[in-house]
Amino acid sequence: DGGITQSPKYLFRKEGQNVTLSCEQNLNHDAMYWYRQDPGQGLRLIYYSQIVNDFQKGDIAEGYSVSREKKESFPLTVTSAQKNPTAFYLCASSINRDRNTEAFFGQGTRLTVV
Amino acid sequence: EDKVVQSPLSLVVHEGDTVTLNCSYEVTNFRSLLWYKQEKKAPTFLFMLTSSGIEKKSGRLSSILDKKELSSILNITATQTGDSAIYLCAVGGGGATNKLIFGTGTLLAVQP
Repeated sequence: DGGITQSPKYLFRKEGQNVTLSCEQNLNHDAMYWYRQDPGQGLRLIYYSQIVNDFQKGDIAEGYSVSREKKESFPLTVTSAQKNPTAFYLCASSINRDRNTEAFFGQGTRLTVV
Repeated sequence: EDKVVQSPLSLVVHEGDTVTLNCSYEVTNFRSLLWYKQEKKAPTFLFMLTSSGIEKKSGRLSSILDKKELSSILNITATQTGDSAIYLCAVGGGGATNKLIFGTGTLLAVQP
């Protein structure tokens, strides 16, 4: 089945630790996105990538890093520099930047700092 | 700065009521406006609007875009408890690189 897979579903991080959230898609989409959602809030854009080996900062990129070495993979690293990382993280993909299509979402990763 | 604003932030109604959710935007190089419903985890796609004045409809839900007013509305008629969710508006656009910008969402609670 085609879709977007995020892992893990739940993640616990100790203070000062870096953690990496996985996002894989087999939809052959060019564009991929990472969003953060806090309780009762909308989605805020962290990073996005329109093509392999290229990505741009979103509105809240500080304390996060990404890579796009393969078309199907867009991992997000939450670094120790992110002061308030506890949140729900959603990965999405869409066909490409030149076409008006919807974005498809993974099931999310809930990150908690302990 | 590109932004998408939704109102109201939250809404409580009774089953059978009709609700109207609003989305306004200021986004450079507007390409499309999308509505999503989020119940537990992943948002699910409802509508994509690109042309002004053309209503899109799916069952009890409908939506329309007004490019002159830079806004869109999502209507839900004869609401049911299963309509309880966060409704998210997103706009595709944003300068030289096309990105998807979300609003804060409207939390809808439908009471029996």
